[in-house]
Amino acid sequence: GENVEQHPSTLSVQEGDSAVIKCTYSDSASNYFPWYKQELGKGPQLIIDIRSNVGEKKDQRIAVTLNKTAKHFSLHITETQPEDSAVYFCAARGMDSSYKLIFGSGTRLLVRP
Amino acid sequence: DAGVIQSPRHEVTEMGQEVTLRCKPISGHNSLFWYRQTMMRGLELLIYFNNNVPIDDSGMPEDRFSAKMPNASFSTLKIQPSEPRDSAVYFCASSPGLATGELFFGEGSRLTVL
Repeated sequence: GENVEQHPSTLSVQEGDSAVIKCTYSDSASNYFPWYKQELGKGPQLIIDIRSNVGEKKDQRIAVTLNKTAKHFSLHITETQPEDSAVYFCAARGMDSSYKLIFGSGTRLLVRP
Repeated sequence: DAGVIQSPRHEVTEMGQEVTLRCKPISGHNSLFWYRQTMMRGLELLIYFNNNVPIDDSGMPEDRFSAKMPNASFSTLKIQPSEPRDSAVYFCASSPGLATGELFFGEGSRLTVL
């Protein structure tokens, strides 16, 4: 089955700087790669996703890149703000019949004012 | 829309007791997922349903765990008997369909088994 590795586990940046979180996946047939943000005491919320037919997707200060050959994808947050502080999870969905969404272990991002 | 609604938000119980967690998915969503979150194991998929039918329960840790979806607007996750290692946050999520991708999570049920 699919396995997703996520790095780093914690990331501290100064407000205004960029943050990058990286994930690798094992199933070369995976075709859907979402990123979720989880704030304290809440459930994860989708912030951006990418499908395997594109290499990059951007939404305001957030971008995701996908390298299918290397089986890795990354989340880029530019001009970070204190409200970006949260735990971020990457995920991948395998192409077997089960449609399971497998999550990485999470990155705790702290944006220092 | 109210989003995915889970109850209770917090549950403290003693080892050996039965625990029932409840979920109301977003109206019109056809797929429902139960995840468990712990510091050690992260977000684990326990079971998911499509059109009220269980599709994959391979993530259910033991026979002590069971889940049902009697209709499109309600699902339960039951643990009987509960054990301290079951302490975790349990999330329910729904999706318009399996192929859609995006999951909409509830706010979770925090379970503590003493």
